[in-house]
Amino acid sequence: AQRVTQPEKLLSVFKGAPVELKCNYSYSGSPELFWYVQYSRQRLQLLLRHISRESIKGFTADLNKGETSFHLKKPFAQEEDSAMYYCALRADSWGKLQFGAGTQVVVTP
Amino acid sequence: GAVVSQHPSRVICKSGTSVKIECRSLDFQATTMFWYRQFPKQSLMLMATSNEGSKATYEQGVEKDKFLINHASLTLSTLTVTSAHPEDSSFYICSARVGHRQGTYNEQFFGPGTRLTVL
Repeated sequence: AQRVTQPEKLLSVFKGAPVELKCNYSYSGSPELFWYVQYSRQRLQLLLRHISRESIKGFTADLNKGETSFHLKKPFAQEEDSAMYYCALRADSWGKLQFGAGTQVVVTP
Repeated sequence: GAVVSQHPSRVICKSGTSVKIECRSLDFQATTMFWYRQFPKQSLMLMATSNEGSKATYEQGVEKDKFLINHASLTLSTLTVTSAHPEDSSFYICSARVGHRQGTYNEQFFGPGTRLTVL
């Protein structure tokens, strides 16, 4: 069965410190993974996806098939990074997404 | 980027009544739309996948007679909560998948959500 696990409900970091959000998945096929972000009072939006291998707003995420992980990292957190972050796995050909429980990131000055 | 709207943004209704929520893709055609439910401080739970012109596919445990989904056009899907009860109170979010737009294949765009409160 497919599953996405985000073990941390809350991450509190200081501005300028590195931040890493953990995501592990289980999926029998070839996974397609995403990170979505939800800022306060805003809709969910795509942050990045593993197939594009890009850095968005300083965030990167590498798919590690051996460890079945897709951790999100940023070397220097900013206050505007405070938000809810969801790791998601595409679960079928229609694009159905399986979301993790989410990690609330709070960046304090 | 592509925009998805939802209407209404919030609705309060009496127990036993039905409520319809609309999800529209404003500047693209969406062959597939998804409906999610989000409880406070919890993740999004997929309720159903809606393909234009065909019956919705419901996730296990979601009552299809309770949550009626219609996807009559490539820009509109509706979710009707029938005979609503207080336990149906939740935040309902839709998303629309861009089918063949270059560079955004498979990307989903989310609506702002609808807060339903059943008294």
